[in-house]
Amino acid sequence: LAKTTQPISMDSYEGQEVNITCSHNNIATNDYITWYQQFPSQGPRFIIQGYKTKVTNEVASLFIPADRKSSTLSLPRVSLSDTAVYYCLVDNDYKLSFGAGTTVTVRA
Amino acid sequence: DVKVTQSSRYLVKRTGEKVFLECVQDMDHENMFWYRQDPGLGLRLIYFSYDVKMKEKGDIPEGYSVSREKKERFSLILESASTNQTSMYLCASSLSSGSSNEQFFGPGTRLTVL
Repeated sequence: LAKTTQPISMDSYEGQEVNITCSHNNIATNDYITWYQQFPSQGPRFIIQGYKTKVTNEVASLFIPADRKSSTLSLPRVSLSDTAVYYCLVDNDYKLSFGAGTTVTVRA
Repeated sequence: DVKVTQSSRYLVKRTGEKVFLECVQDMDHENMFWYRQDPGLGLRLIYFSYDVKMKEKGDIPEGYSVSREKKERFSLILESASTNQTSMYLCASSLSSGSSNEQFFGPGTRLTVL
């Protein structure tokens, strides 16, 4: 049973903000929410992780509502180089489960 | 920076051959993982190891085995390669438990079985 549900693909243009929402209705109390980014021919790379409310780093923001049943990754002012697959994961130990991810395509 | 290296970027083998994929990490991480990635299926966990000589089955262990004799090295073994094992294989490592379980990935090995 998949732990997360996210859109298969999203299109955007340079300079826009991209928001990817992930659904995780069965999230457990101890689960953290983590997002990874993967470029073609590379392994995934950690972007951001959070437990509740809002987390921000130099790359993205992660918004988590109080019920934690969903989360939104926000990429501000995307560029062509942000074209990648983005994975949403929920887990509380060292074993992570990756789904199919969301392919984000940024156009000029 | 953490570095995870894999022995080959591209590998071509024949059906029935025994295949070894090697992974080495240089940050003294406790945990190491092997995934395969196929179009539309995302990453699927094959095996993982949380300590030397320890291993646990992931979601799709059939047809694979692993070996972890040293902390920094985790090997994936295909005892008798088959065409349905043609895939991208990714190795990763992470620190032991804690709130941050960030996994660091290698560049991947694209294996083709003919």
